[in-house]
Amino acid sequence: DGGITQSPKYLFRKEGQNVTLSCEQNLNHDAMYWYRQDPGQGLRLIYYSQIVNDFQKGDIAEGYSVSREKKESFPLTVTSAQKNPTAFYLCASSGHRTAGDLTYEQYFGPGTRLTVT
Amino acid sequence: QKEVEQNSGPLSVPEGAIASLNCTYSDRGSQSFFWYRQYSGKSPELIMSIYSNGDKEDGRFTAQLNKASQYVSLLIRDSQPSDSATYLCAALRPNFGNEKLTFGTGTRLTIIP
Repeated sequence: DGGITQSPKYLFRKEGQNVTLSCEQNLNHDAMYWYRQDPGQGLRLIYYSQIVNDFQKGDIAEGYSVSREKKESFPLTVTSAQKNPTAFYLCASSGHRTAGDLTYEQYFGPGTRLTVT
Repeated sequence: QKEVEQNSGPLSVPEGAIASLNCTYSDRGSQSFFWYRQYSGKSPELIMSIYSNGDKEDGRFTAQLNKASQYVSLLIRDSQPSDSATYLCAALRPNFGNEKLTFGTGTRLTIIP
């Protein structure tokens, strides 16, 4: 059963604590992404990785860190430096494309809802 | 100006009617376009992709692309209450090895029984 899994579904933390969100995919996709979604708002890109052991900052990387040690896994750490960490966090992945290939599909995991108090 | 713009809605459509969702984009280098459906509290689900000018049909859904006008739309025929959701438009500019989607903020659609 192929797909993207995120755990946990709900996460509660005290302010000042670091927390790591899990994302695993068995789609054999090269690229993986982390987004944040706040109520009533669109998706904002936090970090993305096109290949193992490499990743790039997205639009709102401050206060977050990632690693990509395995193709299947792309965990996100929300650090205490993130000012407003309460949000819905979405992991996504997409397959490899070659030059001239316009087709592209990015799929999302079920998300983790993080609440920090 | 946002790179991908959508009317936030809410858009209310009677059951059985055609729902029309619109999206404009500013980056002329964008080549691929996508529609995602997101139910409240859930993650986005890819429902349509379109890569060339014209119409692409899949069941009750039709995506339309006009690159000259930088306009993408999604038509939902015979709208059902289960179509009530937020619809996200996304664009991709080819940049092999460094690709990321640009999303609009979404249009909330409500189908009225």
